Amino acid sequence: GQSLEQPSEVTAVEGAIVQINCTYQTSGFYGLSWYQQHDGGAPTFLSYNALDGLEETGRFSSFLSRSDSYGYLLLQELQMKDSASYFCAVQSGGYQKVTFGTGTKLQVIP
Amino acid sequence: KAGVTQTPRYLIKTRGQQVTLSCSPISGHRSVSWYQQTPGQGLQFLFEYFSETQRNKGNFPGRFSGRQFSNSRSEMNVSTLELGDSALYLCASTGQGADTQYFGPGTRLTVL
Repeated sequence: GQSLEQPSEVTAVEGAIVQINCTYQTSGFYGLSWYQQHDGGAPTFLSYNALDGLEETGRFSSFLSRSDSYGYLLLQELQMKDSASYFCAVQSGGYQKVTFGTGTKLQVIP
Repeated sequence: KAGVTQTPRYLIKTRGQQVTLSCSPISGHRSVSWYQQTPGQGLQFLFEYFSETQRNKGNFPGRFSGRQFSNSRSEMNVSTLELGDSALYLCASTGQGADTQYFGPGTRLTVL
């Protein structure tokens, strides 16, 4: 089966940089995604990595190493509104079979 | 484009009852996935439908079922409700060949 590990909670200061790591075990790996979910809201897509390397989208970047079964989400210039839960998700086994991690709750403090 | 919609948004049922939840995907999206979200468990995959066919299924008991209609709208049904079924049920739609899932606001089910 598939399994993902990510820290349960992270606290960071406004304006700083934070990295949220994700390690996974899966067969038939297609790609690693990241989603953001605010309390009471629905998950929203942040990024997707299918190949090794760094993908940058504004203040957010995501990295993947397929050989290490590891990825991370990097958030720069943290803002209070970035306080949310962040989920990594593995797409594997074809089609849209997506397995989510249990999420990392990020708290941004002044 | 309108986003993914789910109805109802909130539902209260008692043990033993059955419930049907509805999801309308983004126009043009043919893949619809369902997830159960509970505190501490993250999002757990229920099943995925494409063109009225179930392509993937998670590890949930047979009390959980779903279907998809020709217009890509999807329903999921839970029979013989248990207290542990209380959760946020999310559906997500995906365009063909795409990797991004677009989530609806969810249906909050409470089983008493």
